[in-house]
Amino acid sequence: QSVLTQPPSLSAAPGQRVTISCSGSSSDVGNNFVFWYQQLPGRAPRLLIYDNSKRPSGIPDRFSGSKSGRSATLGITGLQTGDEADYYCGTWDDRLNAVVFGGGTRLTVL
Amino acid sequence: QVHLQESGPGLVKPSQTLSLTCTVSGDSITSGTYYWSWIRQPAGKGLEWIGRFYASGSTTYNPSLKSRVSISVDTSKNQFSLKLTSVTAADTALYYCARDIGTKRAWFDPWGQGTLVTVSS
Repeated sequence: QSVLTQPPSLSAAPGQRVTISCSGSSSDVGNNFVFWYQQLPGRAPRLLIYDNSKRPSGIPDRFSGSKSGRSATLGITGLQTGDEADYYCGTWDDRLNAVVFGGGTRLTVL
Repeated sequence: QVHLQESGPGLVKPSQTLSLTCTVSGDSITSGTYYWSWIRQPAGKGLEWIGRFYASGSTTYNPSLKSRVSISVDTSKNQFSLKLTSVTAADTALYYCARDIGTKRAWFDPWGQGTLVTVSS
């Protein structure tokens, strides 16, 4: 059972916008930066968002991140079939003194 | 460009020790700029952070694995290694190494391609 809670799956049509939630507690999301990873089928995860809302170079601005209190959100606009992947949130847990991840959200672009 | 590559046995017997190595190119693991981490993913499941190493020699481990895990470094080869003792079937997973910014962050970039380890007799 993951420390951070994400919806197991989501689906949306090409061109639409989707949001993926990540909820935690005061010792993790509530007190630390949130990071998002994209894992395409058969591939290693890739850093998508860091420090809640910043994009590494090379990540399209269709991807955005935000955080409020104990919850964070990943937004993807203009969905493409190539966005079909598993998405994970991660953060530091002050209580465990460890990095923790969400269980992942499988995004299907119909 | 930084590149990480995991290597090691793909099959380990129960109760034995899992040993993996991550070879880093394009960056020095002893420069002190970054940390270096191991992360695993059981088939069809989510990510689990195992632990990290820093150039000073300090290590931080996931409490859930702390009693069985150790991360060490071979500076001459620019490699860092993972040892996990007393393995069981629950340790079967894809194991990744990644560059890590450390502190209280979950910043990992880039990742290796991963190596599958199966625990079975």
